[in-house]
Amino acid sequence: NAGVTQTPKFQVLKTGQSMTLQCAQDMNHEYMSWYRQDPGMGLRLIHYSVGAGITDQGEVPNGYNVSRSTTEDFPLRLLSAAPSQTSVYFCASSKGQGYTIYFGEGSWLTVV
Amino acid sequence: GQQVMQIPQYQHVQEGEDFTTYCNSSTTLSNIQWYKQRPGGHPVFLIQLVKSGEVKKQKRLTFQFGEAKKNSSLHITATQTTDVGTYFCGRGVETSGSRLTFGEGTQLTVNP
Repeated sequence: NAGVTQTPKFQVLKTGQSMTLQCAQDMNHEYMSWYRQDPGMGLRLIHYSVGAGITDQGEVPNGYNVSRSTTEDFPLRLLSAAPSQTSVYFCASSKGQGYTIYFGEGSWLTVV
Repeated sequence: GQQVMQIPQYQHVQEGEDFTTYCNSSTTLSNIQWYKQRPGGHPVFLIQLVKSGEVKKQKRLTFQFGEAKKNSSLHITATQTTDVGTYFCGRGVETSGSRLTFGEGTQLTVNP
């Protein structure tokens, strides 16, 4: 049971670099989302998708892009990394509204 | 946005003591979900409450949803060291299954 798989688990970037955090789920879930978690804070929604080809912004979308070309994959792109984007990133998926949300194991990103 | 407030932010208990965390909203909630995140881990779904006044139990954990559906609580009886972690409540956002607005969480430490 793979569930929600995120890669990479750890990444160090220099300011200004770009990168993509990968997220894949094998549960045929329509709904996927990305959260970031900063020390002592809760989870804040970056972007979400309710199905292939549909994405929308969450609470903190600036500096990030997403796309949803398939049901399985929901990559998160950092366009020009900034130290303020140092965080733990979680991808999540669910069957639909009111259903359990499954989280990936997280990606620890440091921007220097 | 419509937030959920969670208190306390931190709680330190001796093993065997009880623990309660509260989640409050200024608006009526359609549902509320509770998650546990172990240190260094990812959030894991515990339970969802939907009905006014609902009470659900999972072994030593008791979850309540207020009569007005504006607050919820998680109570742990006789804490154990395995209960260590951060407990989050999440307010479901209609139209998007994997889009929750989370409280900031209550970080529980248990001294053996």
